[in-house]
Amino acid sequence: ETGVTQTPRHLVMGMTNKKSLKCEQHLGHNAMYWYKQSAKKPLELMFVYNFKEQTENNSVPSRFSPECPNSSHLFLHLHTLQPEDSALYLCASSQGRGDGANVLTFGAGSRLTVL
Amino acid sequence: GQQVMQIPQYQHVQEGEDFTTYCNSSTTLSNIQWYKQRPGGHPVFLIQLVKSGEVKKQKRLTFQFGEAKKNSSLHITATQTTDVGTYFCAGPSGGGADGLTFGKGTHLIIQP
Repeated sequence: ETGVTQTPRHLVMGMTNKKSLKCEQHLGHNAMYWYKQSAKKPLELMFVYNFKEQTENNSVPSRFSPECPNSSHLFLHLHTLQPEDSALYLCASSQGRGDGANVLTFGAGSRLTVL
Repeated sequence: GQQVMQIPQYQHVQEGEDFTTYCNSSTTLSNIQWYKQRPGGHPVFLIQLVKSGEVKKQKRLTFQFGEAKKNSSLHITATQTTDVGTYFCAGPSGGGADGLTFGKGTHLIIQP
């Protein structure tokens, strides 16, 4: 248990489906992140929320829509995805300020397969 | 944008041999971090280096940050099967909590 919980752990969806990934952190952190990890690419930063405000989105396609209702919860809404979006989606959190501002604690990930 | 390059991509060693992975950034870094990801797992934070020329040790692991704060290395002495996994270096994408840019990682494979 890392203190960052992701659900579901596995998700299979068709290209026309709408689904959401959920992340919750119990560490009292102020920043939360979505990363994408696929087989042939390094960890790709998708979205950053610092004190609930989105600070970076790295040109992610609009079929991925983040939501951060408070500092402890982060969602990634998925719609009309493509097969190449199949990957491990990792949520992470950090303190958001001070010496450990960007030291990340990752969740276990949500393995997404798009058919 | 910032790039973080890591070599080698794969390293096979016999158990008991040493292992080193190298990381280079296209820009000067305020800090560099190392993470380990076991097969089927998620990245876990190992260490953060902040000062130019800094060297830190964790048991058999030695981490170095270059004088110019653009390169780093991780050295493992006398590898054990528990060291298997992928080791990533990462540098800040921007200021504060703007996330990290990760290298592609070095996959360490240990043959008993």
